[in-house]
Amino acid sequence: QQQVKQSPQSLIVQKGGISIINCAYENTAFDYFPWYQQFPGKGPALLIAIRPDVSEKKEGRFTISFNKSAKQFSLHIMDSQPGDSATYFCAAATTSGTYKYIFGTGTRLKVLA
Amino acid sequence: DGGITQSPKYLFRKEGQNVTLSCEQNLNHDAMYWYRQDPGQGLRLIYYSQIVNDFQKGDIAEGYSVSREKKESFPLTVTSAQKNPTAFYLCASSSNRYSYEQYFGPGTRLTVT
Repeated sequence: QQQVKQSPQSLIVQKGGISIINCAYENTAFDYFPWYQQFPGKGPALLIAIRPDVSEKKEGRFTISFNKSAKQFSLHIMDSQPGDSATYFCAAATTSGTYKYIFGTGTRLKVLA
Repeated sequence: DGGITQSPKYLFRKEGQNVTLSCEQNLNHDAMYWYRQDPGQGLRLIYYSQIVNDFQKGDIAEGYSVSREKKESFPLTVTSAQKNPTAFYLCASSSNRYSYEQYFGPGTRLTVT
């Protein structure tokens, strides 16, 4: 019940296309859902995060869509660029108590020029 | 310049030796975390600390030890009891009091032969 399932494992998108990465969770106590971007050999960097009281959050070309009833959330990267090529991780956490993150297994995105 | 520092970036040790990884933050964050990252896997929580002089085991604490004597420092010792210590180790911190966002350091790649 503590798992966060992330798909796909890898994704290839043409430049200018839309990249979509999906995550699903079971624990209804989760109430904070961040996405991280990681380049090879670097630490993950926070991209965008959402709370379950909204269904969508947009920051620039990055959008999180959240479906509370389905216990799913997804990251959409609009107008994908070669510089977006990285590994993306979703995570889930409860904001009461320990604030522990449960991470998905990551999606390796490659954007072709 | 605020942030999280991990040193060294690369570390090599012989099997049977204990090794300590450094993590320092000047963000005045209360909470600090250690994660392990293996290829094709998400980030797995080793230990976390929400306040000075207190820490809790994460999901894979066996073979590791930590201390939190100062707010800004959270060193991780990989002991000889850890069966597969070769990995990428990431330290993170969060305010928790004002936000739940975790900020990551650049990581230390440990290779044990």
